[in-house]
Amino acid sequence: TQLLEQSPQFLSIQEGENLTVYCNSSSVFSSLQWYRQEPGEGPVLLVTVVTGGEVKKLKRLTFQFGDARKDSSLHITAAQPGDTGLYLCAGARNQFYFGTGTSLTVIP
Amino acid sequence: KAGVTQTPRYLIKTRGQQVTLSCSPISGHRSVSWYQQTPGQGLQFLFEYFSETQRNKGNFPGRFSGRQFSNSRSEMNVSTLELGDSALYLCASSFLGSAGGNEAFFGQGTRLTVV
Repeated sequence: TQLLEQSPQFLSIQEGENLTVYCNSSSVFSSLQWYRQEPGEGPVLLVTVVTGGEVKKLKRLTFQFGDARKDSSLHITAAQPGDTGLYLCAGARNQFYFGTGTSLTVIP
Repeated sequence: KAGVTQTPRYLIKTRGQQVTLSCSPISGHRSVSWYQQTPGQGLQFLFEYFSETQRNKGNFPGRFSGRQFSNSRSEMNVSTLELGDSALYLCASSFLGSAGGNEAFFGQGTRLTVV
């Protein structure tokens, strides 16, 4: 059973388009993290959201933590080929739980 | 501040052999977690160590074991390797670990191929 479900699983879009990735759980987390991973490399931490309803921006990336701290979303504006990668959400309880991942391909 | 260091980066082993992977966490971090990542299964939790004690363990057979040293460096051992053990093994370090609610920082991983 996956504690964190991500959708969509795969996403292929044209450069310049906008997209949103969702991370959902039935459990409450004290914080959620988002990572991006490139093939053959370890995941790189993008952001941590802590407060319910919190919104954080990282250039063209906007992260939101649900009011109930059970879900989160990642919105990318005007996607670029450099955004291509596997996006993972994660939360900590008795261990670090990772989402199923969203594989994003941005086509030039 | 140096990041998480995993060695070796790549490894090729034969079925039946054993392998030891190493992880040096970020200085000051006391928690090290290990994960197996395969295309079909995603990130699967192996175990977490905190101050030399195994805090939690995932659903992997006993062939997978680990330990943590007093300097927080950790090793993971896989005995009697099987073809299905081929994967990217990732180590993550955090200050207080999952119980502390901290974020985890990953190494670059060790790509293990079993032939």
